[in-house]
Amino acid sequence: QQPVQSPQAVILREGEDAVINCSSSKALYSVHWYRQKHGEAPVFLMILLKGGEQKGHDKISASFNEKKQQSSLYLTASQLSYSGTYFCGTELWNTGNQFYFGTGTSLTVIP
Amino acid sequence: NAGVTQTPKFRVLKTGQSMTLLCAQDMNHEYMYWYRQDPGMGLRLIHYSVGEGTTAKGEVPDGYNVSRLKKQNFLLGLESAAPSQTSVYFCASSPGTGGIDEQFFGPGTRLTVL
Repeated sequence: QQPVQSPQAVILREGEDAVINCSSSKALYSVHWYRQKHGEAPVFLMILLKGGEQKGHDKISASFNEKKQQSSLYLTASQLSYSGTYFCGTELWNTGNQFYFGTGTSLTVIP
Repeated sequence: NAGVTQTPKFRVLKTGQSMTLLCAQDMNHEYMYWYRQDPGMGLRLIHYSVGEGTTAKGEVPDGYNVSRLKKQNFLLGLESAAPSQTSVYFCASSPGTGGIDEQFFGPGTRLTVL
């Protein structure tokens, strides 16, 4: 049930772009994205809902392909503050309120 | 507003000991969750609650029990701790169903079982 994220890790220079992918083998109702810095709690970035509604962050964008059960997070013109581990979280159809997080993508932005 | 708080922040237990982790939120949220985070595994849902007096099993519930007697509190209990329960535990809350509302996380409790 756990979604699969790719890549597992990425290193960027400031100003470069990155894409993080999240895919599930099950039908998704929604996809969340969170960022966690070392030693801290995860922080909400964005929610994408089946049907196209999005809630979240102005400077980060994401897409949700309902047919392929995939979501991608787009980080453009990366800043040092973008460093951290990114997790997607998913709620599946017909599982009540079960929520599954992916294993994470470590993003490091260097000067 | 304090948001979501967790007590304690750190704890070391011996195998077989019991303990209770407390999560409190002051945002009047209906939904509350307990996750464990292990290296390379991401966050895994242990138990959750959709309102006062309700609880439900998540992905990895074995060895844990929970209670939600008051809306603002969600307790996680370990009756007989095992080394496999060494982990960082996060509590979270959300105003509505977790699928469509963001989850607010507490700072975490680092538990070591010897």
